[in-house]
Amino acid sequence: EIVMTQSPATLSVSPGDRATLSCRASQSVSSNLAWYQQKPGQAPRLLIYGASTRATGIPARFSGSGSGTEFTLTISSLQSEDFAVYYCQQYDNWPPLTFGGGTEVEIK
Amino acid sequence: EVQLVESGGGWVQPGGSLRLSCAASGFTFSSYAMNWVRQAPGKGLEWVSGISGSGVYTFYADSVMGRFTISRDNFRNTLHLQMKSLRAEDTAVYYCAKGSDSRPDYFDDWGQGTLVTVPS
Repeated sequence: EIVMTQSPATLSVSPGDRATLSCRASQSVSSNLAWYQQKPGQAPRLLIYGASTRATGIPARFSGSGSGTEFTLTISSLQSEDFAVYYCQQYDNWPPLTFGGGTEVEIK
Repeated sequence: EVQLVESGGGWVQPGGSLRLSCAASGFTFSSYAMNWVRQAPGKGLEWVSGISGSGVYTFYADSVMGRFTISRDNFRNTLHLQMKSLRAEDTAVYYCAKGSDSRPDYFDDWGQGTLVTVPS
């Protein structure tokens, strides 16, 4: 099973600042990585797939990078609606499909 | 517009059974893999099970293997999860999630979730 590790667990950021979230895989997942955003009481929403491709309707301030075992989600200028929990997920080697533990982006 | 609507959640005694359903619309259901993903209260996401578009191939997390059965009805555009021998650790919101292709990979649409509670 591929273990996904996200850091930090919590990220305190001021509106308008840049946020950088990390995700590490226990073995290479190539570019088969997705990022999701989840707000309280809501279902997750797909942000990024293929490590760097934005899903339909996702603003350009969200960008993904990396391959192999190291991945980054960057939010270039945080808006109020971006404060949420973010999860990475690998789909290279399955079952099981596995998620990271999440990073909560909170208002500083 | 893709819509996924789960139903069937509720409170069930340990050892009991429950059947979840997910009604899908807005896309060609049989062309896409479907999945169940759960989230225990205050915890992260855990993939539970997936099924190919045709329904021929099914996949399970070790934590539910032998207790849960995923199935789909491509005529009625419905996904099911039969859950047996339920345990307290199965307590979670269960989401129905659409795959991007005919085999499970990432999840491009999600339902609103249905809560399953198994008391300890």
